[in-house]
Amino acid sequence: SQTIHQWPATLVQPVGSPLSLECTVEGTSNPNLYWYRQAAGRGLQLLFYSVGIGQISSEVPQNLSASRPQDRQFILSSKKLLLSDSGFYLCAWAAGTTEAFFGQGTRLTVV
Amino acid sequence: AQSVTQLDSHVSVSEGTPVLLRCNYSSSYSPSLFWYVQHPNKGLQLLLKYTSAATLVKGINGFEAEFKKSETSFHLTKPSAHMSDAAEYFCVVSDRTGGSYIPTFGRGTSLIVHP
Repeated sequence: SQTIHQWPATLVQPVGSPLSLECTVEGTSNPNLYWYRQAAGRGLQLLFYSVGIGQISSEVPQNLSASRPQDRQFILSSKKLLLSDSGFYLCAWAAGTTEAFFGQGTRLTVV
Repeated sequence: AQSVTQLDSHVSVSEGTPVLLRCNYSSSYSPSLFWYVQHPNKGLQLLLKYTSAATLVKGINGFEAEFKKSETSFHLTKPSAHMSDAAEYFCVVSDRTGGSYIPTFGRGTSLIVHP
């Protein structure tokens, strides 16, 4: 069966520090991968998606970047965090129009 | 382009009464539609999905939704609310946008259940 792992679950980082959130998927090949952010009291905003290794599409210009070094690995990064980067980050995978499967999320607090 | 509108940011019901969470969508193609639930500080759990089969879809925990193409709606219902249903609910549409399938979320509806 397919599973998705996302870590860490919580993270507190100072302003200006780097960020690396990792997501891996098991049990499927060539998944579509997504990073979403959920700010307090708001819905989910799509940040990046990827349809294959090295293929990244950005939906919102911002302080973050994403990479897909392997078929089932998706990384969200930042060189210097801002206070506004705080939020709940969710990784997801999907195959075509089937439902998306989500990781448990990372609660990022930038202080 | 696809979009989702959840018509209510908050819905408040008493335990044992019916639940209705409203969702309208816009899609250029035949979309797939989903409802997810999120409990506080948790990931998202799929409640149910519509993928061009039966228009009345039954999900987990007694929830169901009806796809109405003429109204571009996909409202979520439950006959009798439980306290454990209190959570955030998201309506999601997914179709082929620019060559890729992108799940697009509504802003969410917070369901409050009173004893």
